[in-house]
Amino acid sequence: AAGVIQSPRHLIKEKRETATLKCYPIPRHDTVYWYQQGPGQDPQFLISFYEKMQSDKGSIPDRFSAQQFSDYHSELNMSSLELGDSALYFCASSLGRGASYEQYFGPGTRLTVT
Amino acid sequence: AQTVTQSQPEMSVQEAETVTLSCTYDTSESNYYLFWYKQPPSRQMILVIRQEAYKQQNATENRFSVNFQKAAKSFSLKISDSQLGDTAMYFCAFMNTGNQFYFGTGTSLTVIP
Repeated sequence: AAGVIQSPRHLIKEKRETATLKCYPIPRHDTVYWYQQGPGQDPQFLISFYEKMQSDKGSIPDRFSAQQFSDYHSELNMSSLELGDSALYFCASSLGRGASYEQYFGPGTRLTVT
Repeated sequence: AQTVTQSQPEMSVQEAETVTLSCTYDTSESNYYLFWYKQPPSRQMILVIRQEAYKQQNATENRFSVNFQKAAKSFSLKISDSQLGDTAMYFCAFMNTGNQFYFGTGTSLTVIP
């Protein structure tokens, strides 16, 4: 069965650079969630989209922005990168919005900021 | 604000034995969902089990079951007949009606052969 695809899987950037992470949800899933997991930490919810509109917002820094496109894939744009942005970024998708719909997680993108 | 607390940073269990991981949460809402996720060394996040707060019956998935105590705001995970493949980080998570998702700090479980 198709799973959530994230690209790239690994990314190395320097401070103050910009990064774009991509997430391709499972076909027919209309909801996408983004999470950030720092080293040895629990995942933190960043933002979610439902039907191409921003749905809920968590602890996403102002330097980050995200959107969901017409084909339901989503991109997380990160500007003015800081060392503290080094983390594993997960994307998850679900068939609908809300906790009654299971979230399926992608493999994550490991971002390293040097 | 919602918080999820896992008071056991690390646990170990002998293969084939039973282990219980603890989780408490704090919320003022009456309807919400609780989850246990497993994150093996591959870092893939895998849903183990989930519980809807309005359901009194404890959820069960094969060797995994929960003890949901709504009044005490407790949501523990019991793993029976532990297997080597159960070695992973386990996160308790909470989702409210506002679709905000909160993870606990995790419990690292090691199954000893």
